[in-house]
Amino acid sequence: GENVEQHPSTLSVQEGDSAVIKCTYSDSASNYFPWYKQELGKRPQLIIDIRSNVGEKKDQRIAVTLNKTAKHFSLHITETQPEDSAVYFCAARPTGGGNKLTFGTGTQLKVEL
Amino acid sequence: DAGVTQSPTHLIKTRGQHVTLRCSPISGHKSVSWYQQVLGQGPQFIFQYYEKEERGRGNFPDRFSARQFPNYSSELNVNALLLGDSALYLCASSLSPVGGNSGNTIYFGEGSWLTVV
Repeated sequence: GENVEQHPSTLSVQEGDSAVIKCTYSDSASNYFPWYKQELGKRPQLIIDIRSNVGEKKDQRIAVTLNKTAKHFSLHITETQPEDSAVYFCAARPTGGGNKLTFGTGTQLKVEL
Repeated sequence: DAGVTQSPTHLIKTRGQHVTLRCSPISGHKSVSWYQQVLGQGPQFIFQYYEKEERGRGNFPDRFSARQFPNYSSELNVNALLLGDSALYLCASSLSPVGGNSGNTIYFGEGSWLTVV
């Protein structure tokens, strides 16, 4: 089955700096890669996703890149703000996998003033 | 991503008891999945249902079961509760289970916090 590794487990940045979180996946059949933000005690919220037919996607301060050959994808947050502090999860889903996402282990991002 | 509703939001059960968790998907969504999130970990896939049929199952024991109703809502049942079942149980919905290159965005509900004592 799919295995998703995520690094780093914790990340501390100064407000205004950029943050990068990296994930690798094992199943070459995976074709959908969402990123979720989870604040303490709340549900995971989709912040951006990318499908295997594109290499990069941006939404304001957030971008995701995908390297299918190397089987890794990354989340980039620019101009970080204190409200970006949360746990971020990457996930992967294989073709035909429906709603079956395999999640990474999460990254605790802390944006310091 | 609002619209996936789950109940109850919090509950406490004792070991050996049974629990039923409920989920209503976003209007128009026909596929529902269940995930278990243990504190400090990412969500783990339990089940997927579409058109009242099970379409996928994760690595969970037979104590876990689920079903989907004609209105696409779903129930997750857990029998013979163990302390290790304490977790946040998340319901997710999407339009259909079809992946493909277009995919279907998956949205999570607020979850049901289960504590087993």
